[in-house]
Amino acid sequence: GENVEQHPSTLSVQEGDSAVIKCTYSDSASNYFPWYKQELGKRPQLIIDIRSNVGEKKDQRIAVTLNKTAKHFSLHITETQPEDSAVYFCAATINTNAGKSTFGDGTTLTVKP
Amino acid sequence: DTAVSQTPKYLVTQMGNDKSIKCEQNLGHDTMYWYKQDSKKFLKIMFSYNNKELIINETVPNRFSPKSPDKAHLNLHINSLELGDSAVYFCASSSSGVSDTQYFGPGTRLTVL
Repeated sequence: GENVEQHPSTLSVQEGDSAVIKCTYSDSASNYFPWYKQELGKRPQLIIDIRSNVGEKKDQRIAVTLNKTAKHFSLHITETQPEDSAVYFCAATINTNAGKSTFGDGTTLTVKP
Repeated sequence: DTAVSQTPKYLVTQMGNDKSIKCEQNLGHDTMYWYKQDSKKFLKIMFSYNNKELIINETVPNRFSPKSPDKAHLNLHINSLELGDSAVYFCASSSSGVSDTQYFGPGTRLTVL
């Protein structure tokens, strides 16, 4: 089955700095890669996603890159703010009937003011 | 107009009891999921249903039995609760083949004493 590794497990940055979280996956059939943000005590919520036919996608301060050959994808957050502090999960999905997402173990991001 | 709802939000019970968690989505999605998030925040899929049919059944003790009476509902019944069942359980839904984005419910925090 699919295996997703996510690094680092914790990340602490100063407000205004950039943060990068990396994930690798094992199954080349995976074709959809969402990123979820989970604030303390809340539900995971999608912040950005990318499909296998795209190499990069950007939405304001966040961007995701995908390297299909190397089977890795990354989340980039620029100009971090304290409200970016949360747990971030990457996932790799095989788009079959009822696409199964395998989640990484999460990265706890702390942005210090 | 909550998209994915779960009840109850908190559940405290004794070992050996049987309990149920209910999930409903009003997004018109055809696929629903149950995830378990343990104290380390790892998010692990348990079950997936597509159009009321079981699609994914990860290695979960058979004390856990999901039931999908219709596409909008996916309930989780747990028999003979054990201490290790204490976790936050998230329901999620998606529209297979259309978006694949999973929308999560608010979670149910289960504490087994």
